[in-house]
Amino acid sequence: DAGVIQSPRHEVTEMGQEVTLRCKPISGHDYLFWYRQTMMRGLELLIYFNNNVPIDDSGMPEDRFSAKMPNASFSTLKIQPSEPRDSAVYFCASRRGQGGQPQHFGDGTRLSIL
Amino acid sequence: DQQVKQNSPSLSVQEGRISILNCDYTNSMFDYFLWYKKYPAEGPTFLISISSIKDKNEDGRFTVFLNKSAKHLSLHIVPSQPGDSAVYFCAASEIYSNYKLTFGKGTLLTVNP
Repeated sequence: DAGVIQSPRHEVTEMGQEVTLRCKPISGHDYLFWYRQTMMRGLELLIYFNNNVPIDDSGMPEDRFSAKMPNASFSTLKIQPSEPRDSAVYFCASRRGQGGQPQHFGDGTRLSIL
Repeated sequence: DQQVKQNSPSLSVQEGRISILNCDYTNSMFDYFLWYKKYPAEGPTFLISISSIKDKNEDGRFTVFLNKSAKHLSLHIVPSQPGDSAVYFCAASEIYSNYKLTFGKGTLLTVNP
């Protein structure tokens, strides 16, 4: 089975540019999560969706960040405008159902804002 | 404030010996705990989990112990192998937040041949 697929794997862009990160969850998984990993804060949850509907976006740091899930097989995380402090590794994860089910992670997008 | 803490940033053990990774939590509502392993340039991979109704769960070389009164869990790897060298994350969740995960900052395990 294909795992969670993220693209691009690496992104380098200049401050002020729009950045779009993409995620394809595992087929059949109805929960999708976006995380950010930094040295200072570790792995922190930004937002999650259930059946394509955003449930909790309390971790989104600022209005510059937005996330969408137009269908069950695709989600985007957008930063506009980007700033150097947004540099981090962004992970997407998906999960089937509630309860004792683990989340499965993609390999992440390493984002560098110059 | 960190609700899940892994106080040891790193741990080094000899091949064949036991590795013990520790994790403490503060939120008494957490009722499901997981360990993830992460290699460089890859995403975290699920390793093992435990529900709060248990105090031990075993899967091959990996055993997780939960002490609810102390709000502490540990991961034991026996015997340790060089391929186990990775960062290990402890995560906790609760039913009332849809089991969203709160992660510790990780422990880098190095298993020396």
